[in-house]
Amino acid sequence: ELKVEQNPLFLSMQEGKNYTIYCNYSTTSDRLYWYRQDPGKSLESLFVLLSNGAVKQEGRLMASLDTKARLSTLHITAAVHDLSATYFCAVGRDLIFGKGTKLSVKP
Amino acid sequence: EAGVVQSPRYKIIEKKQPVAFWCNPISGHNTLYWYLQNLGQGPELLIRYENEEAVDDSQLPKDRFSAERLKGVDSTLKIQPAELGDSAVYLCASSLGRGSGNTIYFGEGSWLTVV
Repeated sequence: ELKVEQNPLFLSMQEGKNYTIYCNYSTTSDRLYWYRQDPGKSLESLFVLLSNGAVKQEGRLMASLDTKARLSTLHITAAVHDLSATYFCAVGRDLIFGKGTKLSVKP
Repeated sequence: EAGVVQSPRYKIIEKKQPVAFWCNPISGHNTLYWYLQNLGQGPELLIRYENEEAVDDSQLPKDRFSAERLKGVDSTLKIQPAELGDSAVYLCASSLGRGSGNTIYFGEGSWLTVV
């Protein structure tokens, strides 16, 4: 059974700082997704990672995938308040989700 | 282009009452998913459709939950009778198919409160 673990579950950051969210999964998969969810809103697709060593960047967010380690990272560069949200990783064709990382960026 | 549309957005019902949720996927998307999201948790798959065929419903509590996707487009998810523990957000999602590069798009969800 595929299991997905994210850490940290809660992250309070100061604006301008860098940080990384980690996503580990238990069995081999051919794809990994990152989503963002704002309170009371739906999930917004951020990245789809398909191969070992894949790296994708959008603005201040960069995601990478290491399929051998079964690990993906979401790196936040110079955080701004607008990035405050819950970030989920999801693995596999039917999206097995982690519990999410609630990010709060403070001035 | 319209996204995944769900209704109702919010529903409050008494326990033992029935409730139904409707989903209209993005045009042309053959694959449709229903997920359940409890507060503070990640979504969990309930059922997946390929066109009108339910191909993965192993997580759907079949004693009280049912779903259908007539004509391979819109879908409904029904709960009868509802229990207090069914209070959650029910998310519908769709994609072009299960190919590896296909993004799965989510609707805004139907928020259910059972009292």
